[in-house]
Amino acid sequence: LAKTTQPISMDSYEGQEVNITCSHNNIATNDYITWYQQFPSQGPRFIIQGYKTKVTNEVASLFIPADRKSSTLSLPRVSLSDTAVYYCLVGDNFSGGYNKLIFGAGTRLAVHP
Amino acid sequence: DAGVIQSPRHEVTEMGQEVTLRCKPISGHDYLFWYRQTMMRGLELLIYFNNNVPIDDSGMPEDRFSAKMPNASFSTLKIQPSEPRDSAVYFCASSFGGDTGELFFGEGSRLTVL
Repeated sequence: LAKTTQPISMDSYEGQEVNITCSHNNIATNDYITWYQQFPSQGPRFIIQGYKTKVTNEVASLFIPADRKSSTLSLPRVSLSDTAVYYCLVGDNFSGGYNKLIFGAGTRLAVHP
Repeated sequence: DAGVIQSPRHEVTEMGQEVTLRCKPISGHDYLFWYRQTMMRGLELLIYFNNNVPIDDSGMPEDRFSAKMPNASFSTLKIQPSEPRDSAVYFCASSFGGDTGELFFGEGSRLTVL
């Protein structure tokens, strides 16, 4: 199973860009990289998914280098409401391999005024 | 769509009692998942179904736990008998396997076993 490593916590201030990097050295050829966000007392929420290069949506950007051994979630101009835990997952959920999608400890992001 | 609906939101019970958690997935989704979240172990996948059939239950901690999906719109997770170490937040999630594989989570059921 592809294991992921992310910082346990990060601090930022409103209006700043936040980059959270995830290491996944054992990523397999068919694996995708997915990020989820979880607020207290809520279930995780899908943010973004990618396979290689760069993916951008209305919430975030995901940068994946050519070797795919790491990925960076970028949150532009964070606000207090972005305070949450962010999970990086690696797996091949497209072929039903959901048991390989493991939520690690995540990165606890605190945004300060 | 109302999203994934779980009930009850909160449950407090005594050790030895039977607990049943319920989940209604998003209509049209063909995968359903049960996760458990604790401070010590984080989010753990307990079991998941595809088209109402259990695919992988290797995460179910022991025989006291059982899950069923009698139809495409309903699933239950049962704990009998319950123990204090079962205290956790239990999440149900669903997805459409033919799409991006994005999981849609419910708001969870917080279980406290005294």
